[in-house]
Amino acid sequence: GESVGLHLPTLSVQEGDNSIINCAYSNSASDYFIWYKQESGKGPQFIIDIRSNMDKRQGQRVTVLLNKTVKHLSLQIAATQPGDSAVYFCAETHSGTYKYIFGTGTRLKVLA
Amino acid sequence: EPEVTQTPSHQVTQMGQEVILRCVPISNHLYFYWYRQILGQKVEFLVSFYNNEISEKSEIFDDQFSVERPDGSNFTLKIRSTKLEDSAMYFCARLGADTNYGYTFGSGTRLTVV
Repeated sequence: GESVGLHLPTLSVQEGDNSIINCAYSNSASDYFIWYKQESGKGPQFIIDIRSNMDKRQGQRVTVLLNKTVKHLSLQIAATQPGDSAVYFCAETHSGTYKYIFGTGTRLKVLA
Repeated sequence: EPEVTQTPSHQVTQMGQEVILRCVPISNHLYFYWYRQILGQKVEFLVSFYNNEISEKSEIFDDQFSVERPDGSNFTLKIRSTKLEDSAMYFCARLGADTNYGYTFGSGTRLTVV
């Protein structure tokens, strides 16, 4: 069936290092992807999105990479800061539905 | 960025009781959603609501669940007879922001069924 999953449930990184969070998806019809950040006690917050006609998109300190060949999505955070500590979810959808399937989440821990 | 407000932030209820979770999004939006998140697990789709009607629902959204937008502003999720396994965070979301087709989520209601 359709699924979105993450390779690592917990990622610990030193402050200042770069973080890479991975996600695998199985629905080849998905054409729009979003990374969300969820801090404790809050709802998920949009970080960055990417359409399937792109393989890379950059934001402020974040980059999303999409590899459609292997159905893989990653989120790169440059110079990770303590405020980046949170659970990160990837989510996928295909055009017109706006119903998202979320991955299981990766907890990012930033070590001082 | 306009916010989606959810009330209450935490509700404890006895098994078998009815609960109503409320969401107040910006009134001129048309697409709304309810998701839930069991502790430590993924965010799961419950139902989508477009133009005051249910447009899609998941298998989780059984006859015990209902949604309404009774006054054109508040958007409610009702669980008629709660079960222990309904304990979760419930998030309301509206579609869209200025630059993307993602969701703006509310801060959630933590439902605890005892």
